[in-house]
Amino acid sequence: LAKTTQPISMDSYEGQEVNITCSHNNIATNDYITWYQQFPSQGPRFIIQGYKTKVTNEVASLFIPADRKSSTLSLPRVSLSDTAVYYCLVVNTNAGKSTFGDGTTLTVKP
Amino acid sequence: GAVVSQHPSWVICKSGTSVKIECRSLDFQATTMFWYRQFPKQSLMLMATSNEGSKATYEQGVEKDKFLINHASLTLSTLTVTSAHPEDSSFYICSAREGGGGSLQTQYFGPGTRLTVL
Repeated sequence: LAKTTQPISMDSYEGQEVNITCSHNNIATNDYITWYQQFPSQGPRFIIQGYKTKVTNEVASLFIPADRKSSTLSLPRVSLSDTAVYYCLVVNTNAGKSTFGDGTTLTVKP
Repeated sequence: GAVVSQHPSWVICKSGTSVKIECRSLDFQATTMFWYRQFPKQSLMLMATSNEGSKATYEQGVEKDKFLINHASLTLSTLTVTSAHPEDSSFYICSAREGGGGSLQTQYFGPGTRLTVL
């Protein structure tokens, strides 16, 4: 399983766009990238996933460069309720399992 | 998105007793479910992969005789913590994998179960 590296923490202000980058240098051909959000004492919540290029849904965008060795989660116009831990996972298509890294604690300030 | 439930949401038990935690995929079938454990201020640690109709696959360092996993149907997996001790107190989270057939599969997580062993 490819190891992921993310910044430990990030601060932002309400209304700003936040970009969280994850490094996964050893990603394999059969791997794809998934991002989760976790609040204290809750299970992780699925945000977005992708294999390459750009994926967008109603809450976020995911940018994956051609070499796929990194990915960037983009949260447009964050609010205080976006304060949480964000995890980047590399998931193997066949095995399905993945290893959680340390995650990024995002703190949104008023 | 798909919904995964866990029961109970919290449990307190005495040392030496066994506790069963249920994980259900409510609106999809899951041939594969996963069990994680999370200690305060730490990340999730994968304990085992549960496959419907077959034995679970445990991660290194996880005692299979202590953490019994049963995946008897496509919507239910159970984790039984046997002879629980205070060091087993933790937040247990399950996930179920949806999708397949060439599309990207997504893991959806349950809300977690807080286990406290006295």
